[in-house]
Amino acid sequence: NAGVTQTPKFRILKIGQSMTLQCTQDMNHNYMYWYRQDPGMGLKLIYYSVGAGITDKGEVPNGYNVSRSTTEDFPLRLELAAPSQTSVYFCASSTGGAGTGELFFGEGSRLTVL
Amino acid sequence: AQSVAQPEDQVNVAEGNPLTVKCTYSVSGNPYLFWYVQYPNRGLQFLLKYITGDNLVKGSYGFEAEFNKSQTSFHLKKPSALVSDSALYFCAVRDMNRDDKIIFGKGTRLHILP
Repeated sequence: NAGVTQTPKFRILKIGQSMTLQCTQDMNHNYMYWYRQDPGMGLKLIYYSVGAGITDKGEVPNGYNVSRSTTEDFPLRLELAAPSQTSVYFCASSTGGAGTGELFFGEGSRLTVL
Repeated sequence: AQSVAQPEDQVNVAEGNPLTVKCTYSVSGNPYLFWYVQYPNRGLQFLLKYITGDNLVKGSYGFEAEFNKSQTSFHLKKPSALVSDSALYFCAVRDMNRDDKIIFGKGTRLHILP
């Protein structure tokens, strides 16, 4: 199984550009999450989804949007990129909620906004 | 508000020696606690969790963690460190308001010296 797959792995954006980070999982997990990781700051939750058609904001949702039209896919959209969005982004999925079991992570997408 | 603290940014241990990575938590009610590991340029991987039961929890790669309610701690341990254990370690706690969210600590970088 591929698990959780993220694309692209690396991307450089100019200020004001937009892009979508793709995330797909083949484990039929209901729960999916987007985190950003900044040095010394741990992981911050951006958005999450408990099933197809349902999304909710996490701790740091400003400047991002998500959709969940299928169980497998959970893309993260960055609108009007800003230098503060330079980070490593991780998508994760789980069978039950993250607070009850194991999260499965993708390998990350490193985004630089210049 | 619930939180976890990892008081050490970095821990250095000689290969073959026992290692401890510290984590303390602050929650109302009974905590659900987790440890994840991140190897360079990879996503996080689940190591172990404590939900209820025995205070000593065994996990992947020979790691274990001890839940101590009186000290509100959940330290990660291994009897004999390997160079390959060098990585970034994250403690996490379930958000007591939502089963589907966990809160990560800032991480502790573990260096195992040959």
